[in-house]
Amino acid sequence: GENVEQHPSTLSVQEGDSAVIKCTYSDSASNYFPWYKQELGKRPQLIIDIRSNVGEKKDQRIAVTLNKTAKHFSLHITETQPEDSAVYFCAASSIYGGSQGNLIFGKGTKLSVKP
Amino acid sequence: DSGVTQTPKHLITATGQRVTLRCSPRSGDLSVYWYQQSLDQGLQFLIQYYNGEERAKGNILERFSAQQFPDLHSELNLSSLELGDSALYFCASSPRQGTGNTIYFGEGSWLTVV
Repeated sequence: GENVEQHPSTLSVQEGDSAVIKCTYSDSASNYFPWYKQELGKRPQLIIDIRSNVGEKKDQRIAVTLNKTAKHFSLHITETQPEDSAVYFCAASSIYGGSQGNLIFGKGTKLSVKP
Repeated sequence: DSGVTQTPKHLITATGQRVTLRCSPRSGDLSVYWYQQSLDQGLQFLIQYYNGEERAKGNILERFSAQQFPDLHSELNLSSLELGDSALYFCASSPRQGTGNTIYFGEGSWLTVV
């Protein structure tokens, strides 16, 4: 089945710096790649997603890039702020074995933004 | 508020017991997913239902079962509970099945097994 690897597991940056989180996936048939942000004790919330027909998508300070050939995608956060501190999860939508769009998640990256 | 409702929010029970977690999807959503998140762990996919039928299974233990009812709400049943089953259980929903669907998570049910 689909396997998603996410790096790094922890990331600490100074406020105003950029943060980059990288994920790789195994199933070449996967075609939807969302990113979720989870604050402590709360539900994961979608922050941005990308489909396989585009290579990059941007939303204000957040961007995601996708390289289908290499089977990796990345989250870029610019001008980080303390409120960006959270755990970020990447995911890939698997169609393996007939599964109908369930998301397989990476293990998460704990981002800390220091004021 | 995602529109996905989960009950109970917190649950403490003893080893060997059985519990049921309930989920109401967003209005109009036909797909329901269950995920388990242990302390400092990622989101483990358990099972997916679409319009009452099981569609995909992940790392769900045989002691766990789920179903989706005609009104589209879903229940996750956890039996013969062990300490290691303590986790945050999320339900999520999406409008359809198939890839490319954004899924929306509920607030989760915290299960503590003592």
